[in-house]
Amino acid sequence: AQKVTQAQTEISVVEKEDVTLDCVYETRDTTYYLFWYKQPPSGELVFLIRRNSFDEQNEISGRYSWNFQKSTSSFNFTITASQVVDSAVYFCALIQPITQGGSEKLVFGKGMKLTVNP
Amino acid sequence: DAGITQSPRHKVTETGTPVTLRCHQTENHRYMYWYRQDPGHGLRLIHYSYGVKDTDKGEVSDGYSVSRSKTEDFLLTLESATSSQTSVYFCAISESGIRADTQYFGPGTRLTVL
Repeated sequence: AQKVTQAQTEISVVEKEDVTLDCVYETRDTTYYLFWYKQPPSGELVFLIRRNSFDEQNEISGRYSWNFQKSTSSFNFTITASQVVDSAVYFCALIQPITQGGSEKLVFGKGMKLTVNP
Repeated sequence: DAGITQSPRHKVTETGTPVTLRCHQTENHRYMYWYRQDPGHGLRLIHYSYGVKDTDKGEVSDGYSVSRSKTEDFLLTLESATSSQTSVYFCAISESGIRADTQYFGPGTRLTVL
């Protein structure tokens, strides 16, 4: 069965520090998709990125970057020059197929709370 | 932002009472999902729908039922609420169910069962 592990539960940094959020996944599928979501204190879940197993190129979006390494089954997320607005809970997730209806569900890690202090 | 609303946003109820949560989308997406979020568990799938009147169970479906009579609405019902169902409930939608599709989430409903 698929599984996502976010070993860190909480991290606290000072503004402008770089911070990396770890995500390790387990799957038997050769084709799979990984996601990161952000949950700010207001509570909504915000989609950040989707990555498929074919594409091992790292992705950068502004201050956010993602390092996907199949060899270590990791999909780590780095925030460069963190800001107070980055304070949130971050979830890593893996798609798992559901047999009925050709659908799929997200298997989530337990989340990692990031606090960025001014 | 995906057009997803949930109602109510907050609810306090008593054990044994029925509760219905509503998810409404304006994206005309085929797939809809209900997840619950609990501390230490992340989010877990309760039920999902792959079309009008087509629904099925997720991993934590006991005590819940769902209905989808039109594309835009997906209802989650707790027939007789229990304290263990105190949680934050999220609805999600995706355009298709194939393995390339992102699920977008609604704002959540915080339910407290006393």
